[in-house]
Amino acid sequence: QQQVKQSPQSLIVQKGGISIINCAYENTAFDYFPWYQQFPGKGPALLIAIRPDVSEKKEGRFTISFNKSAKQFSLHIMDSQPGDSATYFCAASIHAGNNRKLIWGLGTSLAVNP
Amino acid sequence: NAGVMQNPRHLVRRRGQEARLRCSPMKGHSHVYWYRQLPEEGLKFMVYLQKENIIDESGMPKERFSAEFPKEGPSILRIQQVVRGDSAAYFCASSLPPPENYEQYFGPGTRLTVT
Repeated sequence: QQQVKQSPQSLIVQKGGISIINCAYENTAFDYFPWYQQFPGKGPALLIAIRPDVSEKKEGRFTISFNKSAKQFSLHIMDSQPGDSATYFCAASIHAGNNRKLIWGLGTSLAVNP
Repeated sequence: NAGVMQNPRHLVRRRGQEARLRCSPMKGHSHVYWYRQLPEEGLKFMVYLQKENIIDESGMPKERFSAEFPKEGPSILRIQQVVRGDSAAYFCASSLPPPENYEQYFGPGTRLTVT
């Protein structure tokens, strides 16, 4: 079954610390791995994404680390700020013909204490 | 604003009524996805459409739910004879057509409350 397992379910970090959220997948046919950030009452916003031929991607304070052999990928938020407090979702994308589907993790609620 | 637009943002319906949710994709996007999100839960895929065609409706409940994306106008998710269990946030996302449909961009959602 196509699944993406995300952990932890919730995370509390002090301002300036590093937030780390992990995801694992099973299907090696996944070919694109995005992370979304969602604030309460808002829609998910695409944060950063990676393809499996790359081991790391960095955009500002956000970094994705990708381990293809372990079928795991993680989001690192450096110098975490209270404004980063949100729910983060990992996802994995798979296509079959014209159909492309995102398989979602269940989310991680991040709270950054001032 | 060239982002994904959804309306209404909030919708209250009584049990048995119909709910119509609208989604206008980002400029240049021709593909639309609908998701449902319950409080404290992740996103559940419902349906994937292009104009005048349903590509994947594997996540749609068999009854009462339907979706369309006409040649002109927004995509519409229709829920007939709503029940309390339909109360949720419904999100629309849009993308470029294949093979560039990797990235999905989401609208602000419609929060449906069934009383």
